[in-house]
Amino acid sequence: GIQVEQSPPDLILQEGANSTLRCNFSDSVNNLQWFHQNPWGQLINLFYIPSGTKQNGRLSATTVATERYSLLYISSSQTTDSGVYFCAVGGNTGNQFYFGTGTSLTVIP
Amino acid sequence: EAQVTQNPRYLITVTGKKLTVTCSQNMNHEYMSWYRQDPGLGLRQIYYSMNVEVTDKGDVPEGYKVSRKEKRNFPLILESPSPNQTSLYFCASSLSLGTGGLEQYFGPGTRLTVT
Repeated sequence: GIQVEQSPPDLILQEGANSTLRCNFSDSVNNLQWFHQNPWGQLINLFYIPSGTKQNGRLSATTVATERYSLLYISSSQTTDSGVYFCAVGGNTGNQFYFGTGTSLTVIP
Repeated sequence: EAQVTQNPRYLITVTGKKLTVTCSQNMNHEYMSWYRQDPGLGLRQIYYSMNVEVTDKGDVPEGYKVSRKEKRNFPLILESPSPNQTSLYFCASSLSLGTGGLEQYFGPGTRLTVT
């Protein structure tokens, strides 16, 4: 299967700070999503981004498929951004999905 | 409201007692999937289904069964649960975006404890 590595594993930020989360993957993909798991356990779609750049408010994401990585940018972080951020990929040759182990973000006031 | 629902949300059971966790989606999605989430391991795919009567194994299918008799439902069956199946389970359904693109939407999760 496809190996997915996320970094950093843990991140603590002061409210208002910016951050960049990284997702590296070991093979070509035709699906890539970023999710936020909130403290109540819900998995919330952030971006579907197998290539290119997207922005949604304070969040943006960039995937460079040829170099097998994706970045999630969080600007002006808020306490509600706390939780775990997951990257999930799906390969070109099947319909199976692989998740990274996540980045745990804590935003302190 | 477009959603993926799972039932039950919480379940405590004993080793060997067969159980079914239901998953239903109202978005007419063709692709559905089950995952388990364990501390430090992220989410791992158990089974997935591309359409009615079409199911495939994910990374961790041992000890689980699924069926897809209707497009909207994708139940997860544990015939003889064991304590190592204690986990948080998620069902997802996916919007097909063409050319193999699948955008997943997740249910609220089912926390299962097997004693």
